[in-house]
Amino acid sequence: AQRVTQPEKLLSVFKGAPVELKCNYSYSGSPELFWYVQYSRQRLQLLLRHISRESIKGFTADLNKGETSFHLKKPFAQEEDSAMYYCALLYGGATNKLIFGTGTLLAVQP
Amino acid sequence: SAVISQKPSRDICQRGTSLTIQCQVDSQVTMMFWYRQQPGQSLTLIATANQGSEATYESGFVIDKFPISRPNLTFSTLTVSNMSPEDSSIYLCSFSGGNTEAFFGQGTRLTVV
Repeated sequence: AQRVTQPEKLLSVFKGAPVELKCNYSYSGSPELFWYVQYSRQRLQLLLRHISRESIKGFTADLNKGETSFHLKKPFAQEEDSAMYYCALLYGGATNKLIFGTGTLLAVQP
Repeated sequence: SAVISQKPSRDICQRGTSLTIQCQVDSQVTMMFWYRQQPGQSLTLIATANQGSEATYESGFVIDKFPISRPNLTFSTLTVSNMSPEDSSIYLCSFSGGNTEAFFGQGTRLTVV
């Protein structure tokens, strides 16, 4: 069965420090992975997806099929990056269903 | 992109009662989804709401407990029936955009007392 694992519930860093939010997945098919973010008092929204291979707000994530990982990285954290981050896997073919990890709360200290 | 509105944003309900959550999208969408997020847990898919047919429920969720309506391509409701304190959660509706991006409502924070 498909699964998404985010081992860290909380990651606290200082402003300007590098950030890496870990995500591992288990899926028998070809994975399509996403990072969703929820800022304080805002709704859950897409941050980035692996197939776009883009950098959003300085964040990047590379799909590593060998390690079944999709870690989210940013070289220099900003205070406005403080939020809840969820890794998600698309499954179910055309039904577009998502399975989410448990989330990591990123706290960037000044 | 389409806007999705969900209401109520929160409610406190007595055990044994039912609550209906509404979700409105400002454009037609094929698939809508309902998720539950229990305290300290991740989002768990309850069901896929299909227009014109019965919802498709995930393992562990049944229609009697979570009846869903999808009368048209812009609207859906989820009812939490015969509530108990274990149903205290955040409930989220969502739809999938054409490029597989998911859009979410603001959530309904339900507390059952």
